[in-house]
Amino acid sequence: RKEVEQDPGPFNVPEGATVAFNCTYSNSASQSFFWYRQDCRKEPKLLMSVYSSGNEDGRFTAQLNRASQYISLLIRDSKLSDSATYLCVVIAMEYGNKLVFGAGTILRVKS
Amino acid sequence: GAVVSQHPSRVICKSGTSVKIECRSLDFQATTMFWYRQFPKQSLMLMATSNEGSKATYEQGVEKDKFLINHASLTLSTLTVTSAHPEDSSFYICSARDVLAPLPTYNEQFFGPGTRLTVL
Repeated sequence: RKEVEQDPGPFNVPEGATVAFNCTYSNSASQSFFWYRQDCRKEPKLLMSVYSSGNEDGRFTAQLNRASQYISLLIRDSKLSDSATYLCVVIAMEYGNKLVFGAGTILRVKS
Repeated sequence: GAVVSQHPSRVICKSGTSVKIECRSLDFQATTMFWYRQFPKQSLMLMATSNEGSKATYEQGVEKDKFLINHASLTLSTLTVTSAHPEDSSFYICSARDVLAPLPTYNEQFFGPGTRLTVL
């Protein structure tokens, strides 16, 4: 089983739609959680850190469910510019504070 | 967020040559930097953890004699791909975290723009 699993997609949605991605992690000792965004042929950029039960930043809401070991990302009112690959990332002390990446979920927002 | 730069952004070289890639933290100190490699349509793979003033820690399957890492200061780490071959062609990305950042942002990592290496 992969340490961090994501649905690869692609998710094809129209502008203005609400879309949600889920991510599951296998290590119950994981302690830090992030969503990164990666555009084609570019580096990942930190989108949101996920703290305690979750947090919101504008159109983006991240949720953490430790009991079920999953993290979600909700994007409301999708924009064309939201098209990218969304990477779920987890840190656990036993990994030496290294980032463990999911394979990413592709989002395509169409007009 | 913190800024990380990488140089060069793109390299094309002949097989057998060595290529050095620099990673700098511009506005913060980074005792630890990370080097990743990403092949097309795949996720980032951690190659090694670069520690300022000490030896790098390599991931399983990564040859330390082929991928030389030097982290001589709190703001600079270098990755040298020695005797590069076409199979080394990839997107190399570094990341760093601000060791002085407060919790809970302490664990946030910031990536450089990457170096695209093409070995002919």
